[in-house]
Amino acid sequence: ETGVTQTPRHLVMGMTNKKSLKCEQHLGHNAMYWYKQSAKKPLELMFVYNFKEQTENNSVPSRFSPECPNSSHLFLHLHTLQPEDSALYLCASSQGNGDLDEQYFGPGTRLTVT
Amino acid sequence: DAKTTQPPSMDCAEGRAANLPCNHSTISGNEYVYWYRQIHSQGPQYIIHGLKNNETNEMASLIITEDRKSSTLILPHATLRDTAVYYCIVNRGGSNYKLTFGKGTLLTVNP
Repeated sequence: ETGVTQTPRHLVMGMTNKKSLKCEQHLGHNAMYWYKQSAKKPLELMFVYNFKEQTENNSVPSRFSPECPNSSHLFLHLHTLQPEDSALYLCASSQGNGDLDEQYFGPGTRLTVT
Repeated sequence: DAKTTQPPSMDCAEGRAANLPCNHSTISGNEYVYWYRQIHSQGPQYIIHGLKNNETNEMASLIITEDRKSSTLILPHATLRDTAVYYCIVNRGGSNYKLTFGKGTLLTVNP
């Protein structure tokens, strides 16, 4: 138990569906992250939020839309996804003060786009 | 951030020390060495980090060479639950937002 929870753990959606992934951290952290891990590929950073402000968008397609209503919650809204978007989506959090800022990861959401 | 090189896989006998190497020959003076691991179907887990001195915590030890061009993560008494992919990451303190994960080393601990 890392203090970072993600729901749902598994999601199957069609290409025309709209769904949302949820992440919640109970660590009092100020920074939250979305990563994507495709099969046999390294983790890719998608978005970074620090004190609810987006500070990094790693050239992510607009069909992925993040939302950070407060420092404890992070959402990833999904619409009109493609089969190649099937992956493990990981959320992480950290103190957000920069120096020596280790990240704590949630268990991930396994997404399958059909 | 400096690039790292790790062997793709290693084996270790249960109860023995696991020594995982990492080369980071282009590391700059203000970059730290971080280690994370990812057990199958779980999110990555922070293990340890260091700048130039050797570091030890309850999980592992980190040995950094004097020239800082390489390091070794040591799990002193590996267990079956230590089977995971281990990632060596070099990152500037103050910009840890951009952890760049490579392919890591798959460590398999055998009974």
